[in-house]
Amino acid sequence: DAKTTQPPSMDCAEGRAANLPCNHSTISGNEYVYWYRQIHSQGPQYIIHGLKNNETNEMASLIITEDRKSSTLILPHATLRDTAVYYCIVRPLNSNSGYALNFGKGTSLLVTP
Amino acid sequence: SAVISQKPSRDICQRGTSLTIQCQVDSQVTMMFWYRQQPGQSLTLIATANQGSEATYESGFVIDKFPISRPNLTFSTLTVSNMSPEDSSIYLCSVSRAYEQYFGPGTRLTVT
Repeated sequence: DAKTTQPPSMDCAEGRAANLPCNHSTISGNEYVYWYRQIHSQGPQYIIHGLKNNETNEMASLIITEDRKSSTLILPHATLRDTAVYYCIVRPLNSNSGYALNFGKGTSLLVTP
Repeated sequence: SAVISQKPSRDICQRGTSLTIQCQVDSQVTMMFWYRQQPGQSLTLIATANQGSEATYESGFVIDKFPISRPNLTFSTLTVSNMSPEDSSIYLCSVSRAYEQYFGPGTRLTVT
């Protein structure tokens, strides 16, 4: 799987948008960009994934550059409960694949009042 | 979605003993995964467990230290054998379904 690079930490004020960047310059054509987060003392939680188009769900938006070498996860109105470590992961999409996730160090997001 | 439970949720164990961690999924899955998360670190894959076959271990992890059972499509166990303080970690099981991967709440192990 392609390697990802994320800033180790970021701060965001409550109610503002949190924009978390990720570089994945070696991503291959069949690899998707996934985002997970891990709130303290819990198992990781799926947020969103995408291939090349921008994606939005009830939790977040994912913006992928045209060359697919980087992406940004956007939490539009961050709350204190969004304080977590956010992991950007690239992997092939394969339903019922059994492909494990290769976690990097992630970005520790702190949302402040 | 998938609902995953783990037992025990936490334990404190003596050096040299073994602990078996159970993982139960609410529906059948082909593959289950075991991860380790050492204090302050990210998750590292230990092994992949298929029902009815030997688990596949990642580099740095061996069957004698982390034996895994997968007796059916909803259950797996991971044993941490001959424990040392370096084994103090959170151990998480996980399953894949469609495009998502679901994680259990983890087992927090402290070895003294």
